[in-house]
Amino acid sequence: KQEVTQIPAALSVPEGENLVLNCSFTDSAIYNLQWFRQDPGKGLTSLLLIQSSQREQTSGRLNASLDKSSGRSTLYIAASQPGDSATYLCAVRGTYKYIFGTGTRLKVLA
Amino acid sequence: DADVTQTPRNRITKTGKRIMLECSQTKGHDRMYWYRQDPGLGLRLIYYSFDVKDINKGEISDGYSVSRQAQAKFSLSLESAIPNQTALYFCATSDSGKGDSTDTQYFGPGTRLTVL
Repeated sequence: KQEVTQIPAALSVPEGENLVLNCSFTDSAIYNLQWFRQDPGKGLTSLLLIQSSQREQTSGRLNASLDKSSGRSTLYIAASQPGDSATYLCAVRGTYKYIFGTGTRLKVLA
Repeated sequence: DADVTQTPRNRITKTGKRIMLECSQTKGHDRMYWYRQDPGLGLRLIYYSFDVKDINKGEISDGYSVSRQAQAKFSLSLESAIPNQTALYFCATSDSGKGDSTDTQYFGPGTRLTVL
C-alpha cells in the first residue's frame, strides 16, 4: 500500500531564505507526482506536476525534483516571500488514484 | 468563473439527516473525484468516476454514495450523517491522462460540513 510522508510538518523561515520541502513515498511504481498549495480553509492549487519519466519541473521560483528509485521528491522555493505562507502537499498517482501526504505548513516571516 | 464549483460551501446538520454535496466543472474533464480532509490525516479518496458510467469506491466509501448525473456533475450523498463525517470535502477533476494530457488534478473550493 502506497504511503506518502512529508517532513517537516511545519516550518518557519525568514523572508528571502531558500528552502526545501520533502516528500517521500513507499512504492516507486508511480505515474506522476504533483505538488499543491493550500491556503487556510481553501481548496488546493496545483503548483507542479512531474511525470514518472521526468527528473524535475520548474515554475518561477519553484523547482520540484523526483527520484523514483529512492522514493523521494523535493520542492525547492527560492527567495521565499510572506505570500508563500501556506500548506504544501504532495500527491503521487498510482494506477488509478492519487495518494496525498499530510502536508508541510510553511510560514514565511516578514 | 471558477472551473470547479461546489455547493454548499458550508453546511451544519444533525445526526441522521441526509445531505447532498454537489460539484460542477466547466473544464470538460472526464474524471471526477470526491475527497475528505481531516486535520492530521491529509486528503482521503471517497469515490471517483472516470466517466458517466464508471464509478468506483475509494479508500473510505462507507457511509457515502455518489451520482454522476452528467460529465460535468458529480454529487456526494451522506444517507444518514454522523458526527465523525464532520470534515472538509473537496471535489476534483482531471483529464484522461492519455496522450498529451497530464492527469493534473484541479480542485474545487471545498465544502465545510459539520454534523452535530
